[in-house]
Amino acid sequence: NAGVTQTPKFRVLKTGQSMTLLCAQDMNHEYMYWYRQDPGMGLRLIHYSVGEGTTAKGEVPDGYNVSRLKKQNFLLGLESAAPSQTSVYFCASKLTGITEAFFGQGTRLTVV
Amino acid sequence: AQSVAQPEDQVNVAEGNPLTVKCTYSVSGNPYLFWYVQYPNRGLQFLLKYITGDNLVKGSYGFEAEFNKSQTSFHLKKPSALVSDSALYFCAVRDATSGTYKYIFGTGTRLKVLA
Repeated sequence: NAGVTQTPKFRVLKTGQSMTLLCAQDMNHEYMYWYRQDPGMGLRLIHYSVGEGTTAKGEVPDGYNVSRLKKQNFLLGLESAAPSQTSVYFCASKLTGITEAFFGQGTRLTVV
Repeated sequence: AQSVAQPEDQVNVAEGNPLTVKCTYSVSGNPYLFWYVQYPNRGLQFLLKYITGDNLVKGSYGFEAEFNKSQTSFHLKKPSALVSDSALYFCAVRDATSGTYKYIFGTGTRLKVLA
């Protein structure tokens, strides 16, 4: 039981490049979330999903897209990376009936 | 709109002394409140939660939190701090509007426990 696993852990991108961050959970959780963490700003919600095949925008969705084709995976895409997207990205998941969310280890992304 | 505030960017405390990390909230309806801890280069770990019932909730690693409805606060406490408690602490509230169950986090408080 690995919990919430994020891939990759580190990445450096050039401005304009694209990439996909993968979040995988093996706990059969319905809810999944993508957050970004920036100094002094805490965690801000990018996108979330309440179940397989559904996604919704969070607080800071611009420049990101997501997909949840399988229940266990939640992908975060950057189509054209910008330096403002330099951040640490966290994925989380939650089971229906359980109140707290569980987090992955994070992906540190630098856009130069 | 739901929100949480952590008024202190950093809290310093001597090892063995009691610690308090402050959190206030603004929600419509009954609050679901959480504390998470983040150690360097790690993800967030769940510490404790308040859903209903006793205003003093106990969590992992000897931490506890006091829910105060009249002051809309949910302060994290520990009777005797350890150097290993040094980390970044986040307060969060769950927004259950329309069944979306989103979590709204404060800006975090860095706790430094000095030996």
